[in-house]
Amino acid sequence: AQKVTQAQTEISVVEKEDVTLDCVYETRDTTYYLFWYKQPPSGELVFLIRRNSFDEQNEISGRYSWNFQKSTSSFNFTITASQVVDSAVYFCALSEGGRSQGNLIFGKGTKLSVKP
Amino acid sequence: KAGVTQTPRYLIKTRGQQVTLSCSPISGHRSVSWYQQTPGQGLQFLFEYFSETQRNKGNFPGRFSGRQFSNSRSEMNVSTLELGDSALYLCASSSIKGVGQETQYFGPGTRLLVL
Repeated sequence: AQKVTQAQTEISVVEKEDVTLDCVYETRDTTYYLFWYKQPPSGELVFLIRRNSFDEQNEISGRYSWNFQKSTSSFNFTITASQVVDSAVYFCALSEGGRSQGNLIFGKGTKLSVKP
Repeated sequence: KAGVTQTPRYLIKTRGQQVTLSCSPISGHRSVSWYQQTPGQGLQFLFEYFSETQRNKGNFPGRFSGRQFSNSRSEMNVSTLELGDSALYLCASSSIKGVGQETQYFGPGTRLLVL
């Protein structure tokens, strides 16, 4: 069965520190998609990135970077030089199969607190 | 483009009542999915609609139902409310450009409190 595990429930860092959020997934499909979403206190889930199972290239977007490793079924997310505005709950999610994303399986989330 | 909108934003109901939540997707998006978020269970998929048809359904009792209209707007209904239905209900929309090309965009959610 498919599953997403975010072992870190809460992380607290001081501004400008780098922080990595871990995500481990389980799936039997060879085609799948992985996502990261950010949920600030307002509650709305903000899309950050999508990665398909055939693309293991790491990606960098500003201070954000993602490391996808199929060998370890991990899709980790790093924030470089964290800022107070990065404080939020971050969710990793999995979508199986070569079809639409109707069914996202979410991890439990990691609450990141960035202190000034 | 306007984002996904959900109404109402907050709702208080009592046990046994029913409730209807509404979601308007991003213009041009034809797929709408619903999720329930609770502190205990986290984010769980309820159902997905595309072109007025339910394509996928999560593991929720029949008290939870939904529908989609021809303009892609969607509603979900919960009948005979229970205390455990208190949650944040999130709606997401995506355009179906093709396999692997969609991204789900979420609305701000409806926070339901059942007393």
